[in-house]
Amino acid sequence: DTGVSQNPRHKITKRGQNVTFRCDPISEHNRLYWYRQTLGQGPEFLTYFQNEAQLEKSRLLSDRFSAERPKGSFSTLEIQRTEQGDSAMYLCASTYHLFLMDGNEKLFFGSGTQLSVL
Amino acid sequence: AQRVTQPEKLLSVFKGAPVELKCNYSYSGSPELFWYVQYSRQRLQLLLRHISRESIKGFTADLNKGETSFHLKKPFAQEEDSAMYYCALRKKSFQKLVFGTGTRLLVSP
Repeated sequence: DTGVSQNPRHKITKRGQNVTFRCDPISEHNRLYWYRQTLGQGPEFLTYFQNEAQLEKSRLLSDRFSAERPKGSFSTLEIQRTEQGDSAMYLCASTYHLFLMDGNEKLFFGSGTQLSVL
Repeated sequence: AQRVTQPEKLLSVFKGAPVELKCNYSYSGSPELFWYVQYSRQRLQLLLRHISRESIKGFTADLNKGETSFHLKKPFAQEEDSAMYYCALRKKSFQKLVFGTGTRLLVSP
């Protein structure tokens, strides 16, 4: 499978624990996005990277959340001191963005990591 | 702030019937609109984008700026169209997509 890969598929944790998710984008893609989706809602934007630079963070991303994309390849999303409200599907997506060709790139989504905080 | 509204959580039709999934948006500028689809046990994937003016799997969507709508239409629904459909908007020069809450389309034989 050469698509976007996310690990783990499921994560069950106790409140207060830290968790880390990994996303491996399609290899030639320079943009990587993180979204969060809760039951009955559409995906909500969290943050995105252009290569290794994190260019935008949503207000949804509290200081307990941190994302990295070292070397512009895979990305990790860490949640510290998890809360029950963090339970959601965390989606990663990637695309190839050409400078000055703004908009309308097709996002390729991963299967997501389902987080359950007990 | 931009917002996308999909008023129907569930749309149930019979095979061969026409389908229209509604999407309304609020944004004062020139938006970019998309439809994404998620079939059972599959990933979220792009169905179509307004700028391409394309028809994918028999679906079309026209951007109506006067009514701020981007409804998804298909003249004859097929059982394999059953899926979750999300309308999404992006402001020009911004990078994030804003999704609606989705409409589940169920096509019965």
